[in-house]
Amino acid sequence: EAGVAQSPRYKIIEKRQSVAFWCNPISGHATLYWYQQILGQGPKLLIQFQNNGVVDDSQLPKDRFSAERLKGVDSTLKIQPAKLEDSAVYLCASSLGTNFKGEQYFGPGTRLTVT
Amino acid sequence: ILNVEQSPQSLHVQEGDSTNFTCSFPSSNFYALHWYRWETAKSPEALFVMTLNGDEKKKGRISATLNTKEGYSYLYIKGSQPEDSATYLCALNNDMRFGAGTRLTVKP
Repeated sequence: EAGVAQSPRYKIIEKRQSVAFWCNPISGHATLYWYQQILGQGPKLLIQFQNNGVVDDSQLPKDRFSAERLKGVDSTLKIQPAKLEDSAVYLCASSLGTNFKGEQYFGPGTRLTVT
Repeated sequence: ILNVEQSPQSLHVQEGDSTNFTCSFPSSNFYALHWYRWETAKSPEALFVMTLNGDEKKKGRISATLNTKEGYSYLYIKGSQPEDSATYLCALNNDMRFGAGTRLTVKP
């Protein structure tokens, strides 16, 4: 079974520029998550989708971050404009349902550097 | 404890040593705890999902225990190998709060 795909793997941008990340979850997985992992910290949940609806976006900085999940499959996360503190690894994960006892499957992440 | 805390932050052991590290979490409203292994440049990989107090799970040389009443889980690695080198993360599944991880380095 194919895993969670993410692109790009690496991105370097200047502050105030925009950037977008793409995620393709495992086929059939209803739930998709975006995490931000800053160096030295654990991953922080930014947004959770159930199919194409948002379940939890309480930690998403909505003034600059946006996310969508088209047709309940692929998802994009956008930052506009980027700040230095947005430098992090952005992880996408998917799971079969919203039952939190189930496993999440992670993609390899996108490492963003904002200069 | 309000957050998920992991200790130690990093650990260096020799090949063949056994080791263990701790994940501490708020014991109220517990639902499930996940352990993940994250090797550099790879995807985090699920190790265990722990749900019941007293749970003990094992996968090869790696095992984990859970105490929901006192709010901690231990991860054990028996006879560490260089390929065990990774960051080990735990996450409280109520709201997917992760600890900062324990970075394990196993020297040949």
